[in-house]
Amino acid sequence: KNQVEQSPQSLIILEGKNCTLQCNYTVSPFSNLRWYKQDTGRGPVSLTIMTFSENTKSNGRYTATLDADTKQSSLHITASQLSDSASYICVVTDSWGKLQFGAGTQVVVTP
Amino acid sequence: EAGVTQSPTHLIKTRGQQATLRCSPISGHTSVYWYQQALGLGLQFLLWYDEGEERNRGNFPPRFSGRQFPNYSSELNVNALELEDSALYLCASSFGGRYTGELFFGEGSRLTVL
Repeated sequence: KNQVEQSPQSLIILEGKNCTLQCNYTVSPFSNLRWYKQDTGRGPVSLTIMTFSENTKSNGRYTATLDADTKQSSLHITASQLSDSASYICVVTDSWGKLQFGAGTQVVVTP
Repeated sequence: EAGVTQSPTHLIKTRGQQATLRCSPISGHTSVYWYQQALGLGLQFLLWYDEGEERNRGNFPPRFSGRQFPNYSSELNVNALELEDSALYLCASSFGGRYTGELFFGEGSRLTVL
């Protein structure tokens, strides 16, 4: 069973609307959690990274939250743009440096 | 500063052949990771090299192998290619050791096996 589960698998939103992606993990002991954005056929690019003590972190219109007690994270996209169409990947690192990748959420922003 | 560079960008091989993919990490990074991403699927961990040593290996057969050179660049070799090896192969680098900071990814090498 994957130690990092993302939901939904995909979603379609209208340009200008907000959306929230979820990431639940069982990785332990926890070190950090990152969200990456991957455009089709390109390498992933880091959006945010959070450690145990951080609850929220923003990067422009992207805001990530982390609840280390419930082992849940979310990525909120505000006022979506067409360029936000991509796969969003949650990556959790344990204290030994091992990374676990979620399968990603495919976001499609339509005009 | 140059990012992670991968070569070749595209590679077409036939079943049974061997493929070699190359990766140059960001200057100062000692860890290199290899991932396979089949079309429409998530990233699957292949190999992790740090300071020239293989640190971890994903659930892939032995025909997937690699190495890291003294300058921290890395090579991924895939022997006896099969059709299902067709995928985007991504390399990432980071500062090494037990602290795994942010991963920086290259643009990938697209391998097509006919």
